[in-house]
Amino acid sequence: DQQVKQNSPSLSVQEGRISILNCDYTNSMFDYFLWYKKYPAEGPTFLISISSIKDKNEDGRFTVFLNKSAKHLSLHIVPSQPGDSAVYFCAASGSGTYKYIFGTGTRLKVLA
Amino acid sequence: NAGVTQTPKFQVLKTGQSMTLQCAQDMNHEYMSWYRQDPGMGLRLIHYSVGAGITDQGEVPNGYNVSRSTTEDFPLRLLSAAPSQTSVYFCASSSLTGGDTGELFFGEGSRLTVL
Repeated sequence: DQQVKQNSPSLSVQEGRISILNCDYTNSMFDYFLWYKKYPAEGPTFLISISSIKDKNEDGRFTVFLNKSAKHLSLHIVPSQPGDSAVYFCAASGSGTYKYIFGTGTRLKVLA
Repeated sequence: NAGVTQTPKFQVLKTGQSMTLQCAQDMNHEYMSWYRQDPGMGLRLIHYSVGAGITDQGEVPNGYNVSRSTTEDFPLRLLSAAPSQTSVYFCASSSLTGGDTGELFFGEGSRLTVL
């Protein structure tokens, strides 16, 4: 049973436009959420996180939105750049569980 | 600063062989974990540890053993490899603040093929 779902396997966006990556979760005990970016043949790298006490967190071009009632989070990248082309994973964790559960990933391609 | 180091980067095994994937971190992180990445399946947690002498199972622990004798090292053992264990394996570590894990730092991965 997939507790963290990324229903879009891929997404293509024009350079300069907004990229929106979505993630849904089923476990109401999750209270900490992260986004990771992964390039081919490299390990995932941390991008941005959000705690359940917030509904938005920004870091430069990256903003994560959390809708707890819908059990949904999204990552907005504005403006999108060709270097953003990668696979993006969302992950969720419950307080004190020490388990990060990852989604299946969304491959973003930013077209120049 | 090396961060999280995994060895080997590539390995080919025959069914039934055993091997150990090594993971070392130099950030003094209490938390270490192993994930496997398979097409269409994302990253799945195999085992994790919150400190030396403490390990626990993740989502897909069957066929794998771990131990944590030091803070720095967290090896993953395959006792009898099966083709279903063909995957890319990632080790990750994190500091524990207030009892919760923070940002995970990942190694570069180890690609394992079982024939």
